[in-house]
Amino acid sequence: AQTVTQSQPEMSVQEAETVTLSCTYDTSESDYYLFWYKQPPSRQMILVIRQEAYKQQNATENRFSVNFQKAAKSFSLKISDSQLGDAAMYFCAYRSAGTSGSRLTFGEGTQLTVNP
Amino acid sequence: GAGVSQSPSNKVTEKGKDVELRCDPISGHTALYWYRQSLGQGLEFLIYFQGNSAPDKSGLPSDRFSAERTGGSVSTLTIQRTQQEDSAVYLCASSLWQGNTEAFFGQGTRLTVV
Repeated sequence: AQTVTQSQPEMSVQEAETVTLSCTYDTSESDYYLFWYKQPPSRQMILVIRQEAYKQQNATENRFSVNFQKAAKSFSLKISDSQLGDAAMYFCAYRSAGTSGSRLTFGEGTQLTVNP
Repeated sequence: GAGVSQSPSNKVTEKGKDVELRCDPISGHTALYWYRQSLGQGLEFLIYFQGNSAPDKSGLPSDRFSAERTGGSVSTLTIQRTQQEDSAVYLCASSLWQGNTEAFFGQGTRLTVV
């Protein structure tokens, strides 16, 4: 079974600064997808960024980028120019790429605080 | 609809009562998922539907939990004889199909068992 670990329960960053959230995972599969989701107090999970394991290039979405290290099974999220609206709980998630793999496996989450 | 809709938003029930939680996925989405999020925790997979069938219900914690989906659309998660440990946020998500497409989440139902 796959596992996802987020070792930082809480992080804080100053507005306009950069912060990196860590995520490691364990799997024996070679093909899979990795995601970062944001959960504000409204509870709704919002997809921030996704990475296909077969792609060597790190995904980027505006101020959000990832550092995907497949051999190390590491998938960190970098938020640049942090904004107050970035404050939320962030979850790293894994999904198998095969037809049998449909569920998302989540880490425990990192609560991000953005200080003005 | 425009997004995944869940009802009720909040539910308080007495221990031992049955509850039904509803999920209305995005129109046209064939895959539907239920997750449970206990306070301060990550999301725990419960069950997955492809159309009306449930190929994976391995995450249901006990036989008090059941779910169905009719017409390939609305799904209902039922918890019988609720216990205090069932208190959590129950999140539903849907995706176009069960592959690599994005899963869209609803805002969840916060269940409190007193």
